[in-house]
Amino acid sequence: AQSVSQHNHHVILSEAASLELGCNYSYGGTVNLFWYVQYPGQHLQLLLKYFSGDPLVKGIKGFEAEFIKSKFSFNLRKPSVQWSDTAEYFCAVNDQAGTALIFGKGTTLSVSS
Amino acid sequence: DAGVTQSPTHLIKTRGQQVTLRCSPISGHKSVSWYQQVLGQGPQFIFQYYEKEERGRGNFPDRFSARQFPNYSSELNVNALLLGDSALYLCASSLAPGLKNYEQYFGPGTRLTVT
Repeated sequence: AQSVSQHNHHVILSEAASLELGCNYSYGGTVNLFWYVQYPGQHLQLLLKYFSGDPLVKGIKGFEAEFIKSKFSFNLRKPSVQWSDTAEYFCAVNDQAGTALIFGKGTTLSVSS
Repeated sequence: DAGVTQSPTHLIKTRGQQVTLRCSPISGHKSVSWYQQVLGQGPQFIFQYYEKEERGRGNFPDRFSARQFPNYSSELNVNALLLGDSALYLCASSLAPGLKNYEQYFGPGTRLTVT
């Protein structure tokens, strides 16, 4: 069965520090990969997605992620975080039918100003 | 434009009771998916409906059921509530099924507490 692992439970950074959140998936078929973000008090929203093509995908608010097939990874990066990036981040992969999302447990990012 | 709306916002029920949660999709969206998010975990897929028909089901017991109405709104029902059903229940809508072509937009969720 498909699964997603996010190894960092809680990350604490200072503003301007660089960010990398790990995500590994287990799925042998065609993968669609996603990063979602949930800011405090707000809905889950899509940050970026990968379906095919260029393995480096860029999303909103300066985030990017790299799909490395050989490592089954899809890590999220941002060169310089801001206080407003404080949120919970979820990595997700498609289910076999390609219609439902399978989420990791999430990583809480706290950015201090 | 209004996003996905869910009601109620919060709900407290007793073990053994039944609960109905409601979701209104974004206008024009015909597919609704339900997810359960237990504290400290990521959302877990429960059901997907499209054009009033069930299109997918996650690994949840038969106590969980759902339906979609002609106006594409949806209800999630949970019978014989257990303490472990305490969670945030999220509804997501999309134009149609198929994650590759149709983004899922999430609502604010209904927080269910079972005592």
